[in-house]
Amino acid sequence: GQNIDQPTEMTATEGAIVQINCTYQTSGFNGLFWYQQHAGEAPTFLSYNVLDGLEEKGRFSSFLSRSKGYSYLLLKELQMKDSASYLCAVGLNDYKLSFGAGTTVTVRA
Amino acid sequence: DSGVTQTPKHLITATGQRVTLRCSPRSGDLSVYWYQQSLDQGLQFLIQYYNGEERAKGNILERFSAQQFPDLHSELNLSSLELGDSALYFCASSVGTGGTNTGELFFGEGSRLTVL
Repeated sequence: GQNIDQPTEMTATEGAIVQINCTYQTSGFNGLFWYQQHAGEAPTFLSYNVLDGLEEKGRFSSFLSRSKGYSYLLLKELQMKDSASYLCAVGLNDYKLSFGAGTTVTVRA
Repeated sequence: DSGVTQTPKHLITATGQRVTLRCSPRSGDLSVYWYQQSLDQGLQFLIQYYNGEERAKGNILERFSAQQFPDLHSELNLSSLELGDSALYFCASSVGTGGTNTGELFFGEGSRLTVL
């Protein structure tokens, strides 16, 4: 089976930085994805890592260590609109995505 | 707007009934995926179709079935509904079996099913 772990909830203040960790043990690996999902809405793609290292995209960065089965999503200069659930997902050999349960981030003023 | 269209957006029905959820993928996408999201669970992969053929199967119950038609739209059929089937059902699409080079999935807005 697939095992993808991430914290359930995190809270931070506006303008701060939050790091969401994700560890995985999966049968197959075809990249690590992060999706953002606002309540009641569709998940939207944030980032993709297939090689070790840091990928930066504006206020969001994602890091991957394949040997450790570990990734994190870093959100900088938090804004109220960043309050959402962040889903870690592993691409499997048959190209489907296996998702973690998601981390709900609450940004407070 | 992801370009993936799902209908209906909301559906309320009774236990024991049968419903059909419909999905139209993005123009040009050949793969369609179905996911179930319950309140206390993450996105659970149900099934994938590629160009009309079943490609991968996840934790899909025998009471559930799906198909992809020649025009690439897909339907998810849920029968003998139980209270626990209440959830958001998402359809996603990608270009090929692996999507784009990044394997990115494009999700529809979901169909919220409530079973009473």
